[in-house]
Amino acid sequence: KAGVTQTPRYLIKTRGQQVTLSCSPISGHRSVSWYQQTPGQGLQFLFEYFSETQRNKGNFPGRFSGRQFSNSRSEMNVSTLELGDSALYLCASSDGTGGVQMGYTFGSGTRLTVV
Amino acid sequence: AQSVAQPEDQVNVAEGNPLTVKCTYSVSGNPYLFWYVQYPNRGLQFLLKYITGDNLVKGSYGFEAEFNKSQTSFHLKKPSALVSDSALYFCAVREGRYSSASKIIFGSGTRLSIRP
Repeated sequence: KAGVTQTPRYLIKTRGQQVTLSCSPISGHRSVSWYQQTPGQGLQFLFEYFSETQRNKGNFPGRFSGRQFSNSRSEMNVSTLELGDSALYLCASSDGTGGVQMGYTFGSGTRLTVV
Repeated sequence: AQSVAQPEDQVNVAEGNPLTVKCTYSVSGNPYLFWYVQYPNRGLQFLLKYITGDNLVKGSYGFEAEFNKSQTSFHLKKPSALVSDSALYFCAVREGRYSSASKIIFGSGTRLSIRP
C-alpha cells in the first residue's frame, strides 16, 4: 500500500508570495491533518480535513488555509508569506473514524524556505 | 487544556545500555498515547500506542512504553540501545476515544543520542 505522498519536497519562496502544498493520503484514509514543524515551536497543529470538511483547526492566522478533494487529497495554502513561515510542513493521514486504529501515518514533509 | 511534556531536550546513552525517554501528559478523559520517531529530513514514524489494557506496550524496533495513570506518564524504554536509535522522539496524545473532533498534540521532542 502506498504511503503518504507530499509534494513538493522542497520549496523556496520570496516574502509576500503565496504557496500551495499537496498531500495524498494512504488509499482509503479520509482524514488528512497538517502540522508545521519548526525548531523553536516544535510540531504545531494547523488543521484537519475529513471527507472534504475542515473538522478541526489550530491557532494559525487566516493566511493559512486548506482544502480536501473528493479523492481525499488535500492542499494547504499560505498567502503573503513571512520569513517565520519557513518550516517543515507535515501531512498526516488516518482513517478518521476515531476507532482503535487511530494514529497517524506521516508523509516526509515539504521543506519551505521563505527568503 | 490538553498537553504533553517531554522534560528532556536531549538524552545521551552508551550503546548497549538501557534507555528511557520521559513523557507526561494532561488531558481530560481517557487518552490515547503515542510515540513517534523522526530521522533527519523525514516525517514522523509511528513506534507504538497505548489505547487500553496492559500498561506495558511493545512497539517497533524493540521499543516499549509504560503507561502510568497515577503519574500521568508514558515513558519510552528500550533494554539495550543501538547507535541507529539516535533520532528525535516525540510523545503525543490524542484526546478522546470516540471524538470525531479530536486532534493529536505532540510534545516538544527529545533528541536521543547513542554513543558507540
